[in-house]
Amino acid sequence: KAGVTQTPRYLIKTRGQQVTLSCSPISGHRSVSWYQQTPGQGLQFLFEYFSETQRNKGNFPGRFSGRQFSNSRSEMNVSTLELGDSALYLCASSYGQGELSGNTIYFGEGSWLTVV
Amino acid sequence: GNSVTQMEGPVTLSEEAFLTINCTYTATGYPSLFWYVQYPGEGLQLLLKATKADDKGSNKGFEATYRKETTSFHLEKGSVQVSDSAVYFCALSDRGSSYKLIFGSGTRLLVRP
Repeated sequence: KAGVTQTPRYLIKTRGQQVTLSCSPISGHRSVSWYQQTPGQGLQFLFEYFSETQRNKGNFPGRFSGRQFSNSRSEMNVSTLELGDSALYLCASSYGQGELSGNTIYFGEGSWLTVV
Repeated sequence: GNSVTQMEGPVTLSEEAFLTINCTYTATGYPSLFWYVQYPGEGLQLLLKATKADDKGSNKGFEATYRKETTSFHLEKGSVQVSDSAVYFCALSDRGSSYKLIFGSGTRLLVRP
């Protein structure tokens, strides 16, 4: 079956613009989470959604937001982009409520965002 | 708070050498522990996991044992191949929230023919 699909794979934005990234989880998965990966900070948790509800949020400014739709697809938005937002944004999905429920978390290939 | 510490890389080995990548963690309670691998230009793939003390996770020749007494989860492989060249991340699940993974900084492995 298809894996976690993220679009777009690569994009370049200018400082001050906003960006929306999309994630389609594996069919049947209801949990979606987002991570930011940068050389300096490594992999950092952004937020997690389960059945359209945000269940957990990482330590990021309010410029970072997300949502989940009834079909479990998710989007994340970053407004007023800064140079430091350049990163690989990874989406992950799971059938249940993540590893605590014994369900493996699967990652997509990520969206590479460059802010110039 | 919970955290994961990995040995810094890069780790450079010749093909068929023995691999160890150290990982230690700090956590309240009893987290699950994971190793993820990231090949160039790709996302993360789960390599193996262990959910309780003394569990051994294994996959593709890689092994790691959940050591509660030393708070460690070191990754080992008896004979590495060039195709194992990648970045390896140790992670734990934060039981305070069901879905959050806390990652180490990653260790790059380079295997030379």
